[in-house]
Amino acid sequence: SAVISQKPSRDICQRGTSLTIQCQVDSQVTMMFWYRQQPGQSLTLIATANQGSEATYESGFVIDKFPISRPNLTFSTLTVSNMSPEDSSIYLCSVVRGGRTEAFFGQGTRLTVV
Amino acid sequence: TQLLEQSPQFLSIQEGENLTVYCNSSSVFSSLQWYRQEPGEGPVLLVTVVTGGEVKKLKRLTFQFGDARKDSSLHITAAQPGDTGLYLCAGPQGGSEKLVFGKGTKLTVNP
Repeated sequence: SAVISQKPSRDICQRGTSLTIQCQVDSQVTMMFWYRQQPGQSLTLIATANQGSEATYESGFVIDKFPISRPNLTFSTLTVSNMSPEDSSIYLCSVVRGGRTEAFFGQGTRLTVV
Repeated sequence: TQLLEQSPQFLSIQEGENLTVYCNSSSVFSSLQWYRQEPGEGPVLLVTVVTGGEVKKLKRLTFQFGDARKDSSLHITAAQPGDTGLYLCAGPQGGSEKLVFGKGTKLTVNP
């Protein structure tokens, strides 16, 4: 398993501002994933973050809106930029162990944009 | 793109009842996983099924992987209020470490 600490756990933000979400893992992992979970919905992958390279974004998500940092093998940040009410969601970071596909998740960040 | 269809989307039952949740795809998956998510928390892995026809039991939960590895089911016996949550099936996309998730089944077990 993996212990993942994500913060903040929740925030209420004004439209037009940006929020950076932090994800800390208790051990080194190669890949970290960022998901969005809109109210009452399932998980949608935003991007995959590898250490030492630019994040890979899924269709419909762009770096200007969701810049990601991955400075080392235990930490990553996701920024939600120029927020609008449509960005109100739960944002989750996730890791997998090398060679496996089972995912471990942080507790999520519940973002409300007003 | 591999898709996973889950049904039902919502399920509200009384304590002690049995239920089954389904996860179906037109694509073959090397494995499928089931997660449970409670409010304010991230999803937690329940089980991974790998072999076609495989059946795994976790206390009152029984998981089955279809022979063709295109579908899976989760059966809960004698449901309890503590089983309440969002149940998600997921599978690896095209052999990568990225997961595709079903839309989830929101289960409510009333005391």
